Order: sequence, then C-alpha cells, then structure tokens
Amino acid sequence: AVQLVESGGGLVQPKESLKISCAASGFTFSNAAMYWVRQAPGKGLEWVARIRTKPNNYATYYADSVKGRFTISRDDSKSMVYLQMDNLKTEDTAMYYCTANFRYWGQGVMVTVSS
Amino acid sequence: DIVLTQSPALAVSLGQRATISCRASESVRSSMHWYQQKSGQQPKLLIYGASNLASGVPARFSGSGSGTDFTFTIDPVEADDIATYYCQQSRNDPLTFGSGTKLEIK
Repeated sequence: AVQLVESGGGLVQPKESLKISCAASGFTFSNAAMYWVRQAPGKGLEWVARIRTKPNNYATYYADSVKGRFTISRDDSKSMVYLQMDNLKTEDTAMYYCTANFRYWGQGVMVTVSS
Repeated sequence: DIVLTQSPALAVSLGQRATISCRASESVRSSMHWYQQKSGQQPKLLIYGASNLASGVPARFSGSGSGTDFTFTIDPVEADDIATYYCQQSRNDPLTFGSGTKLEIK
C-alpha cells in the first residue's frame, strides 16, 4: 500500500528554522515529482514547493511566499523528501502535506510559528 | 498567477445532484483537477485532467470543462460526501487552488 508519512513538525519561534520530512513507500518514488502543500488553520490549500525527478535534474520551484526561505530536497535512495524552512514567520503556521504528483497524500504535519 | 474562483458553499439533499463550478482567470486548457477534503483529513484526488476519474473513485463523481470554466458533479449525493471540494490548476506556475466549496446536506 502507498504511504506518505510526514514528521518533524512542532512549535518554533519567529526567525527560527525547522526541517520537516516525508517518508514514501509503496510506489516508485524516483519516478514521482514531489510537492509540499500547506493549509493554515481554517483556510484553504496553498502549494509551497515542488521538486522534479532525476531526468529533470531535480529542478525545484517555490511559491513566492516562501522563495528564498524554504528549500525542498529529496533522497531517492531513501524515498524521502524534505522541506528546510528558514526565517520562519507567524504566517507559515499551517499543516504541511507532502504529496506525490497530487495523487498520493500524507496525513500532514503541523508547524506552529509563535513567540 | 491564475486565480480560481469557487462558490463558498452548496447545500444539496441526499440522492440529488451537486454541481460545483470553478472559473479560472485565464485558460488552463484541461489542466484542472478536483480534490475532496473531509474534516481533519488530507485532500484526496477525485478528478484529474478536467474529466478523468482517479483510481478507486466512484462513478458518482465526474468533471467537465476546458479553458476557463469547469464543473464538478456528484450524482447522486450520499451522506459520506460531506466535505470541502477544491479545484486546482497545473497549467502554469505557481500551481493554484480554488478557495474551496463546502458541501452541506439539506
């Protein structure tokens, strides 16, 4: 069965950093573009970042709201995708979901940025 | 950025048809997808490429449209369909979602 399991969330203060992870299984991870999507409490869905596959040079793309602060990466040997979040802001508070081609979704990990 | 406009809520009786619209601020051709999100759960892909049913999704769900105007239909509506439904375009970066339509039962 396909599984995406996020981890690493928590409470951090503004301007701090946090790295969240997503472990994938049950499908050919190396063939899948991977994405992070977030959802602030009571709000809608917002695409955050995308990383393509090796044949596409692991190209990365970011929403303007996180560009320069967040970095997406992947390790195909471990079937893992990561989101390094630096200089966090209170408006980054959200549930963060990883998704494979938007077909498979994890259960999400909560990130709270508050002083 | 491409803006996707959805109506915020829809109330439908059980057994009836629910129709949700999504209008894009510019053409996305057929690069429109629909998701269901139940309370406290992750989103679930229902329709991809405007009209293609995702694997394992009941045929009660369907999608249509191209360009800027899209429709998502549930027929007939069942009690388990209570959720918020989002459209999403993948034609242009940044990928964008509609604000969601909350389906309620009359």
